[in-house]
Amino acid sequence: SQQGEEDPQALSIQEGENATMNCSYKTSINNLQWYRQNSGRGLVHLILIRSNEREKHSGRLRVTLDTSKKSSSLLITASRAADTASYFCALSGSARQLTFGSGTQLTVLP
Amino acid sequence: GAGVSQSPSNKVTEKGKDVELRCDPISGHTALYWYRQSLGQGLEFLIYFQGNSAPDKSGLPSDRFSAERTGGSVSTLTIQRTQQEDSAVYLCASSLSRDSWGGYTFGSGTRLTVV
Repeated sequence: SQQGEEDPQALSIQEGENATMNCSYKTSINNLQWYRQNSGRGLVHLILIRSNEREKHSGRLRVTLDTSKKSSSLLITASRAADTASYFCALSGSARQLTFGSGTQLTVLP
Repeated sequence: GAGVSQSPSNKVTEKGKDVELRCDPISGHTALYWYRQSLGQGLEFLIYFQGNSAPDKSGLPSDRFSAERTGGSVSTLTIQRTQQEDSAVYLCASSLSRDSWGGYTFGSGTRLTVV
């Protein structure tokens, strides 16, 4: 299937530290997106990286994509307590809808 | 509207009853998606609408689930004869098109509890 798999499933860090989450997948993609979810409700789109891109930045977020390894990573620098949430990677490929992984639960301790 | 609106935000229903969940997408967004999320799990795709094309129903888990989108705007997800395993958060999302580079905009979801 096109589903991405996030790693780790859960991550707990101190405020100010960097958080890195990884996403691996098995099929070819057009683009890969990262979303954040608070409190089990709606997801918020964070960043999109196309298959021909290797790295993108948005504020404290840095996303890398290695299509040869079929993997992506999301780095949050200088984390804050407000960054506590679940983070999902979503794949856009041959299917017409995005396919989401099971997420990484990030806890940032004050 | 400014965002994707879903109603109700919470729904408790008795097993065997029918429920209707509503999604009002962002004006001008031609693509609309329904997902559901069980507690602590990822998102499970249910159905996708794109403009006037036939919807992609490949994710609907059973024939008790159906959805329609009237006038290319508001969508209703109907679950007939609800079962306890239908309990989940049902999320609706819209985008400008299938390959929207801006990603999806999600509503806040409807938390369905079947008792």
